[in-house]
Amino acid sequence: AQSVTQLGSHVSVSEGALVLLRCNYSSSVPPYLFWYVQYPNQGLQLLLKYTSAATLVKGINGFEAEFKKSETSFHLTKPSAHMSDAAEYFCAVSLYNQGGKLIFGQGTELSVKP
Amino acid sequence: KAGVTQTPRYLIKTRGQQVTLSCSPISGHRSVSWYQQTPGQGLQFLFEYFSETQRNKGNFPGRFSGRQFSNSRSEMNVSTLELGDSALYLCASSLGQGPSETQYFGPGTRLLVL
Repeated sequence: AQSVTQLGSHVSVSEGALVLLRCNYSSSVPPYLFWYVQYPNQGLQLLLKYTSAATLVKGINGFEAEFKKSETSFHLTKPSAHMSDAAEYFCAVSLYNQGGKLIFGQGTELSVKP
Repeated sequence: KAGVTQTPRYLIKTRGQQVTLSCSPISGHRSVSWYQQTPGQGLQFLFEYFSETQRNKGNFPGRFSGRQFSNSRSEMNVSTLELGDSALYLCASSLGQGPSETQYFGPGTRLLVL
């Protein structure tokens, strides 16, 4: 069965520090991969997605992620954290034979310290 | 262009009642998906509709049902509510149906079952 694992339910960084949120997937076929962000009392907003065009994907708000097939990973990074980045982040996968169904990881809550 | 709208935003029901949630997709979008978000289970796929047809269904009991109208608006219904149905219900729309489509999420309907 396909699954998504996000390592670390809570990550804390200082303002200006590197943000690294980890995501590993389990799939027997090449997946499509997404990172979403959720602010309190809001829905999910797409940060970026991988659809096999390029392994390094740049998204909004300075985030990027690299698809590594050999490691089955799609980690999210940002060189310098801002206070406004504090939110919950979700990695998700969809498969070619399952329409638009997204399978989500458990989420990582990012805290940014001043 | 207006985003995905969901009504109502908050709802309180008692066990045994039924509830109907509504979702209006972004104009021009033909696919609507529903997700349940709880602290314990995270984000789980409920179902997906495209052109008024259910294309995909998650692993939820038959008490959960949905439909899509000709204008792409969608409703989901939960009958015989249980305490465990308390959750944030998120609707997402996309232009087409497919695993690489970007899904745009609404703010959700928060359901509390007493």
